[in-house]
Amino acid sequence: DSGVTQTPKHLITATGQRVTLRCSPRSGDLSVYWYQQSLDQGLQFLIQYYNGEERAKGNILERFSAQQFPDLHSELNLSSLELGDSALYFCASSPDGNTEAFFGQGTRLTVV
Amino acid sequence: AQTVTQSQPEMSVQEAETVTLSCTYDTSESDYYLFWYKQPPSRQMILVIRQEAYKQQNATENRFSVNFQKAAKSFSLKISDSQLGDAAMYFCASAANDMRFGAGTRLTVKP
Repeated sequence: DSGVTQTPKHLITATGQRVTLRCSPRSGDLSVYWYQQSLDQGLQFLIQYYNGEERAKGNILERFSAQQFPDLHSELNLSSLELGDSALYFCASSPDGNTEAFFGQGTRLTVV
Repeated sequence: AQTVTQSQPEMSVQEAETVTLSCTYDTSESDYYLFWYKQPPSRQMILVIRQEAYKQQNATENRFSVNFQKAAKSFSLKISDSQLGDAAMYFCASAANDMRFGAGTRLTVKP
């Protein structure tokens, strides 16, 4: 158990819908990352937060947004969903954003 | 931004033999960390080994070791005495203000 909790584990939704993925980092970790992994692909970096502030942004679509709350949990919002958004979405946390990241189990999103 | 390149999409090794997975990276930061993560079929991301860029000594964790060539920006992973349980996707990653991953290498272990 990495200490990072992601909910829900599985999500099935229709095209055009909006979903929210939730992440609780390890106790004491200030930084949260979000990654997207399509089937048999690598991890695409979406966005990183540090202590509530956006720190780095990767290839995140405009239809996607995220935030980190004062209690350090984070949410990733995906809207106007398309079939191609089906993927495993990982959240990871690290103490300072520069050292190793600890990963949650991921949320498997299926858009039908 | 950092980039990480893994040029071997697939590798195969005989059980009990040694295999080396390659990784190159590029960063403008002087202070950074490098990692190898393992992703078995369960899709869980598991940290295998880490290397601080300021340390010249190569990191070792049991059967796993790295060859860190800072000037060449190379960071390869050597797995000794390969076991069936080592079969997985292996991702190289670089961390300096954010963390970027390579495309991965799928390792097959033959009995």
